[in-house]
Amino acid sequence: GDSVTQMEGPVTLSEEAFLTINCTYTATGYPSLFWYVQYPGEGLQLLLKATKADDKGSNKGFEATYRKETTSFHLEKGSVQVSDSAVYFCALSDGSGGSNYKLTFGKGTLLTVNP
Amino acid sequence: EAEVAQSPRYKITEKSQAVAFWCDPISGHATLYWYRQILGQGPELLVQFQDESVVDDSQLPKDRFSAERLKGVDSTLKIQPAELGDSAMYLCASSNIYEQYFGPGTRLTVT
Repeated sequence: GDSVTQMEGPVTLSEEAFLTINCTYTATGYPSLFWYVQYPGEGLQLLLKATKADDKGSNKGFEATYRKETTSFHLEKGSVQVSDSAVYFCALSDGSGGSNYKLTFGKGTLLTVNP
Repeated sequence: EAEVAQSPRYKITEKSQAVAFWCDPISGHATLYWYRQILGQGPELLVQFQDESVVDDSQLPKDRFSAERLKGVDSTLKIQPAELGDSAMYLCASSNIYEQYFGPGTRLTVT
């Protein structure tokens, strides 16, 4: 079945540091890939997505590129802020680009950014 | 901005009791999902509705869990009887064709 593997956390960085959170996936078809963020006490929010190979999703300074050859979708940000502290989830949906398909999530990576 | 509403936000119940959670999706969203998120894990799908019909309930423990979405709008997830291992965050989401939107969740503690 489909699965998502994220790098183990927690990750602790200083403000303005470079962030990478690794994500790899296993899927039988051509999945869409997502990064969701969960702030303390809140539900999940979509951060960015990519629906086909070589697509780059970006939002709020975060980026991730859909790499079919390495089955990866690593999250990056050039300069993190304290407000980026949250849990980040990589996810896939085995659908044809739409969102009306169930999501398969990784275990999440806790990011803490110190001033 | 429209949001997915869930209630209650927190629930403490004793083992073997019944418990129910409610979800009101974003207006116009035909697809509704219930996920369970165990502490330290990612959410896992329990059940997916398209309008009032169940599309996927393969991971729903049907001996104790039930879900309904009468009239294809709001939805209720029930557990009877609750077990200690059911302690988790229960997340509801609804979607259009572009994005799944998540509610704030109900945190269940079974004692």
